[in-house]
Amino acid sequence: GAVVSQHPSRVICKSGTSVKIECRSLDFQATTMFWYRQFPKQSLMLMATSNEGSKATYEQGVEKDKFLINHASLTLSTLTVTSAHPEDSSFYICSAAGGGSNQPQHFGDGTRLSIL
Amino acid sequence: SQQGEEDPQALSIQEGENATMNCSYKTSINNLQWYRQNSGRGLVHLILIRSNEREKHSGRLRVTLDTSKKSSSLLITASRAADTASYFCATDARGSSNTGKLIFGQGTTLQVKP
Repeated sequence: GAVVSQHPSRVICKSGTSVKIECRSLDFQATTMFWYRQFPKQSLMLMATSNEGSKATYEQGVEKDKFLINHASLTLSTLTVTSAHPEDSSFYICSAAGGGSNQPQHFGDGTRLSIL
Repeated sequence: SQQGEEDPQALSIQEGENATMNCSYKTSINNLQWYRQNSGRGLVHLILIRSNEREKHSGRLRVTLDTSKKSSSLLITASRAADTASYFCATDARGSSNTGKLIFGQGTTLQVKP
């Protein structure tokens, strides 16, 4: 149980393109979803926390107009990288939590974004 | 910001040996979690230990938590080549707005040689 599907797994596109990444909880309802960014050989950096039906809470230093997050249902959250540039190239990972205290997060397999 | 520190940063052992990784954190926590990440993949949850627990076991994994020292350790016994991965600790900070947000440590890269 507790499967999170993230698509696409890899994106290569030109500078200026907007890229949408989907994160779906397949077998549970995700009250909260999280979006992370990970640079090579580094840890995960939390970008934003997303609750169904409300605006995402962004971490300090993360541009909300650059990284648009939508959490329209209890099973789907999307991250759109708008007008992507080479410095946005990274590994983006989502996770989902079903609510309640002392529960683990369940992670998608990540999206490798490469902007040329 | 990342509040966890892990050591060692990298660990290389022979199959069959035990691997110990340590994690330190800075604030009061609800729980501490350990995750594993294979190269280029997402994270897999290994074990969660609550702030009122001191030790927890799961298969070949043993986790300890010392809240007075704000530290935790992960022990993998009888390691296998398939245990090769990066291991991260993550803390669920205690606070008034308990969103379940996790703060990750820098990770330990474990290599188990066959």
